[in-house]
Amino acid sequence: QVQLVESGGGVVQPGRSLRLSCAASGFTFSNYAMHWVRQAPGKGLEWVAVISYDGSNKYYADSVKGRFTISRDNSKNTLYLQMNSLRAEDTAVYYCAREESLELVFGPRSYYFDYWGQGTLVTVSS
Amino acid sequence: EIVLTQSPGTLSLSPGERATLSCRASQSVSSSYLAWYQQKPGQAPRLLIYGASSRATGIPDRFSGSGSGTDFTLTISRLEPEDFAVYYCQQYGSSPHPQFGQGTKVEIK
Repeated sequence: QVQLVESGGGVVQPGRSLRLSCAASGFTFSNYAMHWVRQAPGKGLEWVAVISYDGSNKYYADSVKGRFTISRDNSKNTLYLQMNSLRAEDTAVYYCAREESLELVFGPRSYYFDYWGQGTLVTVSS
Repeated sequence: EIVLTQSPGTLSLSPGERATLSCRASQSVSSSYLAWYQQKPGQAPRLLIYGASSRATGIPDRFSGSGSGTDFTLTISRLEPEDFAVYYCQQYGSSPHPQFGQGTKVEIK
């Protein structure tokens, strides 16, 4: 069965760095684009970044652009999020999610997140 | 950037009642790009609906999605105790940047 397991969260001081990992199993990791989504305490979902199946394309939310880097190692079935210059507002649970796409009978291809990890908490505090 | 606005913020209903959740986009969205997720406290989001109206694998048929253009709806025909949760709509496909609505909490009345 599909499993996504995040790790690497913790408490970090403002301005410092942290790297999150997401270990994937149960599917052919190298076939899928992958995302990071975060959720601040008591708040809604915020998309963070996406990486294409082969790592050639990456996109970021404006709130993290220039500070966060998404990457993947398809030989290790692992997704990463390098977070630099962390701020208090980066405090959140970080989820990795698999992107699925499906050709529908009518209309363009459908894109959605079909599997999510359990999340890892990042707390930025002095 | 497309902004998704969900209403109401909170829906107070009793088990067995019908729930109707709204998701309005700031500009027209292809139905193919609209999904709904359910999130319970302490859990990751779970895909319910994709393509505006297609149920994901294992989702009970009391959940249904509809809509087009700028107005989309998630309907739960008869609320079960396990359906009390927060629901998010998502738009993804018109750009590489997915967007989520702010969520609707369905709580027990």
